[in-house]
Amino acid sequence: KQEVTQIPAALSVPEGENLVLNCSFTDSAIYNLQWFRQDPGKGLTSLLLIQSSQREQTSGRLNASLDKSSGRSTLYIAASQPGDSATYLCAVVGSNYKLTFGKGTLLTVNP
Amino acid sequence: GAGVSQTPSNKVTEKGKYVELRCDPISGHTALYWYRQSLGQGPEFLIYFQGTGAADDSGLPNDRFFAVRPEGSVSTLKIQRTERGDSAVYLCASSSGTSGRGEQFFGPGTRLTVL
Repeated sequence: KQEVTQIPAALSVPEGENLVLNCSFTDSAIYNLQWFRQDPGKGLTSLLLIQSSQREQTSGRLNASLDKSSGRSTLYIAASQPGDSATYLCAVVGSNYKLTFGKGTLLTVNP
Repeated sequence: GAGVSQTPSNKVTEKGKYVELRCDPISGHTALYWYRQSLGQGPEFLIYFQGTGAADDSGLPNDRFFAVRPEGSVSTLKIQRTERGDSAVYLCASSSGTSGRGEQFFGPGTRLTVL
């Protein structure tokens, strides 16, 4: 059974700092990995999708990497802003169709 | 529509009642998924539709839960004899393609509270 772990559970940083969120998964047989953002009381916003054949994806200040063989992904956020404050969720799709999620990292960026 | 929509946004019901939650996927998306998110947890898979048929319903917790998608677009999640433990946010997602492994786009969710 696929299990996804996100570390840290919570992170607080000053505005402008670069930061890294970590995600690990137990079964390396994945088709893709998605990073999502969730604001309080809201649904999920897809940030980046990495196919299993890819090593990284970039969107603006966000960069996600994937090391499938070791079961790890990182989300790098450059020059963090207070508006980046949210919960960040990592999820993988394996041989079945469903996304298996971690519990998320609660990020607070302080002005 | 521009994105996935879900109605109602909030639903409060009493234990034992029946509820229906609706999902409108992105136009043209053939794959539709339901997830359930409890407080402090990541979403958990309930059911996956490809077109009109349920391709995988292994995540439905018991036979009180049922979902339909009769015309391959709108889906309804139905919960009979609701229990307090059913309280959660129910999320719907859709994706294009027939593999079931495309990028999933989520709606805002329905927050269900069972009193």
